[in-house]
Amino acid sequence: QKEVEQNSGPLSVPEGAIASLNCTYSDRGSQSFFWYRQYSGKSPELIMFIYSNGDKEDGRFTAQLNKASQYVSLLIRDSQPSDSATYLCAVTAGKLIFGQGTELSVKP
Amino acid sequence: SAVISQKPSRDICQRGTSLTIQCQVDSQVTMMFWYRQQPGQSLTLIATANQGSEATYESGFVIDKFPISRPNLTFSTLTVSNMSPEDSSIYLCSVGHGYGYTFGSGTRLTVV
Repeated sequence: QKEVEQNSGPLSVPEGAIASLNCTYSDRGSQSFFWYRQYSGKSPELIMFIYSNGDKEDGRFTAQLNKASQYVSLLIRDSQPSDSATYLCAVTAGKLIFGQGTELSVKP
Repeated sequence: SAVISQKPSRDICQRGTSLTIQCQVDSQVTMMFWYRQQPGQSLTLIATANQGSEATYESGFVIDKFPISRPNLTFSTLTVSNMSPEDSSIYLCSVGHGYGYTFGSGTRLTVV
């Protein structure tokens, strides 16, 4: 079992819709959870982090964490074509481990 | 968050040679991390570099192939040794801070 797993892509949504990205992790000792966005040819860019169970909102982005289910998700509201990128879930318990990423395509 | 300068940004190297990648951070950090991103793949942690001690390597990565130096709290190098085409990847350094991890701009390595 991989340490961090993301739902396979690519995920395609129309402009203005909600994009939902999901991630599960295996290490119950994981403490911090991150969502990175990576455009092609660029390095990852941190867009959200969450430490506690529940929801955390930042603009159009909402991260959700459920430690009992070992599940973290990212919702992108009012998706824009500029949101088209690969989204990487990352989990840390001393070191940062990435999932395989989900490619998101937002169609105009 | 910290700002990382990584160089070179890209290189094309002959098989059997070595390349050293440098990362300079604008603040002192305890740990620096080195990742590899193979074409179409996610990031894989190579090793964690602590100042004043040997780097800690992840499973599948060895010091002879990827020697790391960490001479002070703002600088680290990763060397890719005796390169083969399979080493063609993007290599990234990273540092942690209170609100996440920041990455250098990456080194795109092509081995021919």
